Amino acid sequence: GQNIDQPTEMTATEGAIVQINCTYQTSGFNGLFWYQQHAGEAPTFLSYNVLDGLEEKGRFSSFLSRSKGYSYLLLKELQMKDSASYLCAVLDSNYQLIWGAGTKLIIKP
Amino acid sequence: GAVVSQHPSWVICKSGTSVKIECRSLDFQATTMFWYRQFPKQSLMLMATSNEGSKATYEQGVEKDKFLINHASLTLSTLTVTSAHPEDSSFYICSAATGTENSPLHFGNGTRLTVT
Repeated sequence: GQNIDQPTEMTATEGAIVQINCTYQTSGFNGLFWYQQHAGEAPTFLSYNVLDGLEEKGRFSSFLSRSKGYSYLLLKELQMKDSASYLCAVLDSNYQLIWGAGTKLIIKP
Repeated sequence: GAVVSQHPSWVICKSGTSVKIECRSLDFQATTMFWYRQFPKQSLMLMATSNEGSKATYEQGVEKDKFLINHASLTLSTLTVTSAHPEDSSFYICSAATGTENSPLHFGNGTRLTVT
């Protein structure tokens, strides 16, 4: 079956750096997305990786290793507003999005 | 950027009544829209894929006669929850892609449905 694993919850300190990992086993691969979702709101798009390597976008970076079925989202200079759930989603061979359960990130002052 | 508008943001209805949720792409044409539901502290669950001008494709376990989807134009899809029951209370979210199959989804703000 198809499976995406990410930690349920993580805690970090304001101003620090945090890495949220995502491993996947899917039927084919056409890219991996990271979304941010604040409580009670819809997800917002953060990043898309389809080739191996690191994509940097401001304070957020996303890394992909297709051979390892692994990605991470790196958040730098954490701010209180970064407290949210971070969803990893993989586009499979049928271009269907397979969603992880999300990682709740708690930022402490 | 691409904007998806979803209405209403929240709705409370009585058991047995029907509720219609609208999803509009405001500045782009969306041949395909997706409907999700999300229970508290859980991830998104795809309910159906809505294609303009054709019947929606429902995921396994989703009752097509209960969750009616209409995609009448390239900018509008509707989800109607018929004969709602308390267990249908959930957060319903629509999304659309702006272009190719690997373009990111843009989400509506979601509709919180409470059935009493």
